[in-house]
Amino acid sequence: DAGVIQSPRHEVTEMGQEVTLRCKPISGHDYLFWYRQTMMRGLELLIYFNNNVPIDDSGMPEDRFSAKMPNASFSTLKIQPSEPRDSAVYFCASSLSGTKGYTFGSGTRLTVV
Amino acid sequence: AQRVTQPEKLLSVFKGAPVELKCNYSYSGSPELFWYVQYSRQRLQLLLRHISRESIKGFTADLNKGETSFHLKKPFAQEEDSAMYYCALSGSNTGKLIFGQGTTLQVKP
Repeated sequence: DAGVIQSPRHEVTEMGQEVTLRCKPISGHDYLFWYRQTMMRGLELLIYFNNNVPIDDSGMPEDRFSAKMPNASFSTLKIQPSEPRDSAVYFCASSLSGTKGYTFGSGTRLTVV
Repeated sequence: AQRVTQPEKLLSVFKGAPVELKCNYSYSGSPELFWYVQYSRQRLQLLLRHISRESIKGFTADLNKGETSFHLKKPFAQEEDSAMYYCALSGSNTGKLIFGQGTTLQVKP
């Protein structure tokens, strides 16, 4: 297995534009998590899914952020419109229930100018 | 509420010195505790988990329920240990993982 795959690795966009981050979890994993990493706040859990269903989205900063998981092998995190304060590294992770063994992707480094 | 606290943002030691990265938690139940490591600009990797009671790369961590701590220790630091270390907690009834703020370990030659 190639692990958790995120795309793109880097994204530079202008303020106000829509940004879509993508994640492919490990096959068979039933949990998927989106985290945001910044120097100021560290790692923040934004939202997580279990069997493609959003379980807890209390970490999503505001309505500009949305996440979907249309099937077991794909999830997106969308920011519309983007703002400079959204600049961060966004990580996706997946796990298999009962194991608590979280595997992280390489992250997407987002820069909003 | 679930919370993980890592009081030190930066810990700088010389090669060969002992290392202790502090982690305290709050959780009303039986949590699972983890340490993750992130080398420069790489993905987070699981270092160890308390239920395994193992030693990885010379690191150990003991869960102290009385002090609600899960400090990470290594007797002799190596330069290649320089990285960001995150303590994390998962509740018994939830699949989510809550992280501390992270501590940057800098091992000087």
